Amino acid sequence: EAGVTQFPSHSVIEKGQTVTLRCDPISGHDNLYWYRRVMGKEIKFLLHFVKESKQDESGMPNNRFLAERTGGTYSTLKVQPAELEDSGVYFCASKRQDRYEQYFGPGTRLTVT
Amino acid sequence: AQSVAQPEDQVNVAEGNPLTVKCTYSVSGNPYLFWYVQYPNRGLQFLLKYITGDNLVKGSYGFEAEFNKSQTSFHLKKPSALVSDSALYFCAVRDPNDYKLSFGAGTTVTVRA
Repeated sequence: EAGVTQFPSHSVIEKGQTVTLRCDPISGHDNLYWYRRVMGKEIKFLLHFVKESKQDESGMPNNRFLAERTGGTYSTLKVQPAELEDSGVYFCASKRQDRYEQYFGPGTRLTVT
Repeated sequence: AQSVAQPEDQVNVAEGNPLTVKCTYSVSGNPYLFWYVQYPNRGLQFLLKYITGDNLVKGSYGFEAEFNKSQTSFHLKKPSALVSDSALYFCAVRDPNDYKLSFGAGTTVTVRA
């Protein structure tokens, strides 16, 4: 079974530019989550999809962040325009509806200069 | 609100010695508890979970953890550490009425040969 994949693995952009991160969950996992780890601190929840619906986006920092999950498959997280404080590692995770554990992707390291 | 504390930033042990990584939590109801490990340049790997039942849970790679409700702790243990166990370890908690994980700041484990 393939794991959660994320693209790109690294992204370096300038302040004010736009970046789109992609996550492909494990096949059959209806639940998809985005998390972020900034500067070696705790991993923080951003949002949760069940299929194509946003269940909880309480962790989204502000309206510069937009997440979508078209057709309930892969998900994208767009940051527009990027700010310096958006730098960090963005993790995606997926989970089967009948299980408790979330499975994480390798993360995308975003650097905003 | 739910939260996790990992009181040690770093743990250093000699190969063959017991390894303990500490975790305490705060949650309103009965907690769901998880341990994840991150190897260099890799994503978070699920190690084990406590949902209900026996307080001692066993997971991957010889790791186990003990749930202690009175002390609100969920320490990760391995009887005999290997050099290959050197990694970053995260404890996480989930409120049963919620879906998002709250993570500790992580503990870096170094096992010396």
